Amino acid sequence: EAQVTQNPRYLITVTGKKLTVTCSQNMNHEYMSWYRQDPGLGLRQIYYSMNVEVTDKGDVPEGYKVSRKEKRNFPLILESPSPNQTSLYFCASSLYTRGGYYNEQFFGPGTRLTVL
Amino acid sequence: RKEVEQDPGPFNVPEGATVAFNCTYSNSASQSFFWYRQDCRKEPKLLMSVYSSGNEDGRFTAQLNRASQYISLLIRDSKLSDSATYLCVVNMGIKAAGNKLTFGGGTRVLVKP
Repeated sequence: EAQVTQNPRYLITVTGKKLTVTCSQNMNHEYMSWYRQDPGLGLRQIYYSMNVEVTDKGDVPEGYKVSRKEKRNFPLILESPSPNQTSLYFCASSLYTRGGYYNEQFFGPGTRLTVL
Repeated sequence: RKEVEQDPGPFNVPEGATVAFNCTYSNSASQSFFWYRQDCRKEPKLLMSVYSSGNEDGRFTAQLNRASQYISLLIRDSKLSDSATYLCVVNMGIKAAGNKLTFGGGTRVLVKP
């Protein structure tokens, strides 16, 4: 089954304790992205990657890191989480077409993170 | 001003009725437009793309008005299963940003028996 998976689905942690949220897709998509969703603010892009070893900042990258060592995986790293990073996080993937044309993005099930 | 704005609702709709709502976008260079559906605490899923000429998919009709910079979604013969949050999504089509999407805050629709 074609899908995007995220782990963990739920996480409660404390300020300053490094954590990683994994994201994996089995559709051989080039493009992957991380979003956070907060009430009243919609989904905002954190980081994206157009292919292996190619990553770039989205709209709200502060406090986050990513890596793209393999095509299927795009982990999100919070080196020193803070309470304002409490949010619902979604990973997404899609094919990438040169020329900026849009391809449907498929989202993972989400990770609900609480930082105390 | 937000790049993509939506009435958060909720729109309370009797089963079988028609509901319509809009979304405005601020950047006239926006190239692609979509409606995504999001059920409570779940991932967004593409509902339909929005084309310049307007398009229909079953009970759902989407329209784009470039002059006034808004898109709309109309749901006919509402079903209980249509209860969800509908996200307006815009793609700038900027090559360097790949598939970057800008999301509205969502419009919540509640269909009641």
